[in-house]
Amino acid sequence: AQSVAQPEDQVNVAEGNPLTVKCTYSVSGNPYLFWYVQYPNRGLQFLLKYITGDNLVKGSYGFEAEFNKSQTSFHLKKPSALVSDSALYFCAVRDPNDYKLSFGAGTTVTVRA
Amino acid sequence: GAGVSQSPSNKVTEKGKDVELRCDPISGHTALYWYRQSLGQGLEFLIYFQGNSAPDKSGLPSDRFSAERTGGSVSTLTIQRTQQEDSAVYLCASSFGTSGWNEQFFGPGTRLTVL
Repeated sequence: AQSVAQPEDQVNVAEGNPLTVKCTYSVSGNPYLFWYVQYPNRGLQFLLKYITGDNLVKGSYGFEAEFNKSQTSFHLKKPSALVSDSALYFCAVRDPNDYKLSFGAGTTVTVRA
Repeated sequence: GAGVSQSPSNKVTEKGKDVELRCDPISGHTALYWYRQSLGQGLEFLIYFQGNSAPDKSGLPSDRFSAERTGGSVSTLTIQRTQQEDSAVYLCASSFGTSGWNEQFFGPGTRLTVL
């Protein structure tokens, strides 16, 4: 079985400061990991993914994430947050032998001006 | 269209009525998924279609839920005899094939409210 944990319900940062959203996962094989963002009354938008290769992956809107196999983590980061980054962020994992995504509970990010 | 589209965007119904939710995937995407997003349960997988293969219905919460996909494109999720606990946002996603590295693209969702 696969699962994802996002330990923080909310993250609050000031604009211009670094932003980190934490994610840990559990999967039987090598994981496929994804981050999605959801703005109010919108669907999920794909940010980035890790499949294999370089542990640091770069995605849309200046976001990046680091895959750490020993810690089973895939934290999302942005060096300098913007007010427009305020949204709900979901981490998801997919077992290579499966096709459905398992999502974390989501983390609400608020960036204050 | 450029993205996954869903209709209606909002649906309010009375307990016991049937509802149909529609999803139009991205052209050329062979895989289609339905998820449900609710406050108490987060994002849950419901059903998956791949080409002409039999769908995986393992995530459907009860036999009141069914879905079909016509011609390998448009999909309809039907909920019969709706209950208040069915209130949620129903999200459809599509992907180009089912290889693990293919990200799923999501539609805007249908917000269902059962009174």
